[in-house]
Order: sequence, then C-alpha cells, then structure tokens
Amino acid sequence: KLQESGPGLLKPSETLSLTCSVTGASFGRFYWSWMRQPAGKRLEWIGRIFTTGTTNFNPSLKSRVTMSVDTSKNQVSLNLKSVTAADTAMYYCARVRCNSDGCFLDYWGQGILVTVSS
Amino acid sequence: QSALTQPASVSGSPGQSITISCTGTSSDVGSYSLVSWYQHYPGKAPKLIIYEVTKRPSGISNRFSGSQSGNTASLTISGLLAEDEADYFCCLYEDSGTFEFGGGTKLTVL
Repeated sequence: KLQESGPGLLKPSETLSLTCSVTGASFGRFYWSWMRQPAGKRLEWIGRIFTTGTTNFNPSLKSRVTMSVDTSKNQVSLNLKSVTAADTAMYYCARVRCNSDGCFLDYWGQGILVTVSS
Repeated sequence: QSALTQPASVSGSPGQSITISCTGTSSDVGSYSLVSWYQHYPGKAPKLIIYEVTKRPSGISNRFSGSQSGNTASLTISGLLAEDEADYFCCLYEDSGTFEFGGGTKLTVL
C-alpha cells in the first residue's frame, strides 16, 4: 500500500529526494512519516507531514530536511540536502495513526536503500 | 530523546512462549501507554502487531500480546510458529510528537 521510490545512489553533497506513493489506504487527514535505518543500527525517525502540509522534524535533521505532500497523487516526498556517507540507510515511509492517547505507525512501506558514495 | 533497550536476540522452540522487553525510563515508557510493536521480515514492510501497549490491530493473531510494567514494555508471543521468526522492534510516541525506536530483537525459532 505504501511504496518508496527514488535514486538509490547519491554523491556526497547532493540532495536525497524520495517519494512515498500510497494506494489502497486512506490518505487524507493523516500524518505521514519518514524513518531511516543505517545497516546494523536502530531506526531513526526523520519527521512527519500532515496532508495539510504541517510538519514536525527530528531536531537532529531539521536543518537539512523538507517534506511535501501531493494529495492529488496520494504522495508524500522527502528531501534531505547535503548528504554524506552517514545518510546511507534504508528509508521507510509510514502512515501515522493518532487518537486521543497518542500515535503509532500503522502501515509501512518496504523501504528503499539509499547509498551515499563518491 | 530516550533510548529504548531491547535484547539483541531471543529464541524459542515451536509451541513455546517468548517475551521481548523494551526498556525505557520513568519519563517515557514509564509515564505513557504509547508503546507499539512491529514485526519485520527483512526486505518486507514492517507490520504493526501491538499498539498502545496492549492493543492488537484487526487481523493480528491473539498469540501476540503486549504488557507494561514500570519502565519496561513487553511483547509476548505464545505458541511459537516457525513463521514467527523475524525481527521485532518497539516504538515509543513521545509528547513532542516524535517517535523513538528500540534497537530491535531477532527472534529465532529453533
């Protein structure tokens, strides 16, 4: 239902651009989140975007991250600028489901491997 | 941000029960019922199996159960099946609107 797409190989200093396409699941009125997982390390939350465009980002990445949403295509996008080898990771998108108590990630994509190498 | 601690690996024989712990602190896991658990087969999409500590999404087997005691949330899988062999990770939703993840646990079914 969620499919990440984008270039799998980048050079240092380039901008990572990924798209998450959503099919078969409700798109509107949800937050959509991006995570990444370097090999052998834990998942790291990158940020989230509501379908109105409201965003929240991980403070450690905030200066380099932007997200956007295209409700006509049921897509959310992630841009991470000035990448380095440390940004090499599997990148995942997921839908954020929230209720009065809090939020969780109810649907995920299978991820896309992005490698940064000169 | 907090750091959620999980055992790197657990194992069990078919039919047995295993428990995977996810330990935080009194200011995160211990204060809120906002831990979720995911099953992840390599190369596949992670799958939500427990949310809000104890709740199961529709379609998830009742062999999966969640609990919490103090600063530790736990996932128990009863009646182990070969197909349960996967990676499992916990996730905490924090007040700030961010998510924190455990390091993941590899379950081996002997």
